Amino acid sequence: EAGVTQSPTHLIKTRGQQATLRCSPISGHTSVYWYQQALGLGLQFLLWYDEGEERNRGNFPPRFSGRQFPNYSSELNVNALELEDSALYLCASSADIRANEQFFGPGTRLTVL
Amino acid sequence: GEDVEQSLFLSVREGDSSVINCTYTDSSSTYLYWYKQEPGAGLQLLTYIFSNMDMKQDQRLTVLLNKKDKHLSLRIADTQTGDSAIYFCAERKSGGYQKVTFGIGTKLQVIP
Repeated sequence: EAGVTQSPTHLIKTRGQQATLRCSPISGHTSVYWYQQALGLGLQFLLWYDEGEERNRGNFPPRFSGRQFPNYSSELNVNALELEDSALYLCASSADIRANEQFFGPGTRLTVL
Repeated sequence: GEDVEQSLFLSVREGDSSVINCTYTDSSSTYLYWYKQEPGAGLQLLTYIFSNMDMKQDQRLTVLLNKKDKHLSLRIADTQTGDSAIYFCAERKSGGYQKVTFGIGTKLQVIP
């Protein structure tokens, strides 16, 4: 069974640009979570989607947005990139909203120059 | 991660036991997790404990939960160089919708 996949592995952008990160959950999983792992800050919860709907949102500005598609894959969009957006963005999936375990992908390393 | 606190760094010798500590603030937390992140990789769930348990053992891993003090620990017996990684403590709050809060992570360095 394939795990959570994310693309691209690395992404380099300049300030003010927009970035799109993609995530495919484990087959059959309906919940997708996005986290930001910036240096020295641990994992910060960004967004949670389940069955195509946004269920919860972390303390991030509106320029961080996303969506979940009918096949449960998800996109994270970051508009008007700032230098401090440079981080590892991790996606995780779980079987449903009550599942105990989140399975993580390898992440997308976003560098903003 | 301000609701979950961990020390940043731990260094142990190969063969010794490692103990990684974590404190959390929400007494309504239902599940507490330990995740491992190896360099360049995502997070891997090591183990988790339900809040009505005091201890859980899984091979070399022992999780202790002191609910009164809101303190969670992960003990790794016979620590190996392959255990070198960042270990994240996380809590899942009660309520219908799952929300998991992670600590900042403890970097474990195993010295040969």
